[in-house]
Amino acid sequence: DIQMTQSPSSLSASVGDRITITCRASQSISTYLSWYQQSPGKAPKLLISAASTLQSGVPSRFSGGGSGTDFTLTINGLQPEDFATYYCLQGYSSPLTFGGGTKVEI
Amino acid sequence: QVQLQESGPRLVKPSGTLSLTCAVSGGSISSRNWWSWVRQPPGKDLEWIGEIYPTGTTNYNPSLKSRVTISVDKSKNHFSLNVSSVTAADTAVYYCARAFSRRCTPASCSNYFDPWGQGALVTVSS
Repeated sequence: DIQMTQSPSSLSASVGDRITITCRASQSISTYLSWYQQSPGKAPKLLISAASTLQSGVPSRFSGGGSGTDFTLTINGLQPEDFATYYCLQGYSSPLTFGGGTKVEI
Repeated sequence: QVQLQESGPRLVKPSGTLSLTCAVSGGSISSRNWWSWVRQPPGKDLEWIGEIYPTGTTNYNPSLKSRVTISVDKSKNHFSLNVSSVTAADTAVYYCARAFSRRCTPASCSNYFDPWGQGALVTVSS
């Protein structure tokens, strides 16, 4: 199985901050990497697919990058609604595997 | 806009079978998408369970394959999940999701998920 290591597992930030979350795959997954936002008690919401493609309706302050084994999710100018847990997912090979999550707290 | 909704018993006895259905609205389950199940035990990571195509072709996570069956009913526009011989370790929030595929391997076609259902907490307990 491909292991997805996400870091940090949690971080404290303030409204307006710029933050970066990283996801590292145990082997190359090209750009088969997506990012999700999960608020408490809610289903995950797709933010970015194919490592860097912003989904329709997702604010432009979110951006993704990387390929191969190293990926990033950046939020420029944190907003109150961005305080949530973020997950990466590799869709390159079975079984699909998620990162352990990054909880973004105030 | 496609929406998904899970339904089914929320309490299952140990050694029994967990059964959930995912109703698809706002679109057809026969569209050229795969449909997946994902679960999240309380306080733990997300885990992909498996996927199904409208033709009935399925792929499963090898860690669960011996106990999982995913089926589709195109006439009802829904797909279903059965997990047999459940234990407390199967207690989780179960999500259904539409999957998009950029690339298939012999063992899976789902590459990313959008949208997801709201989730159903299923507890395994006597």
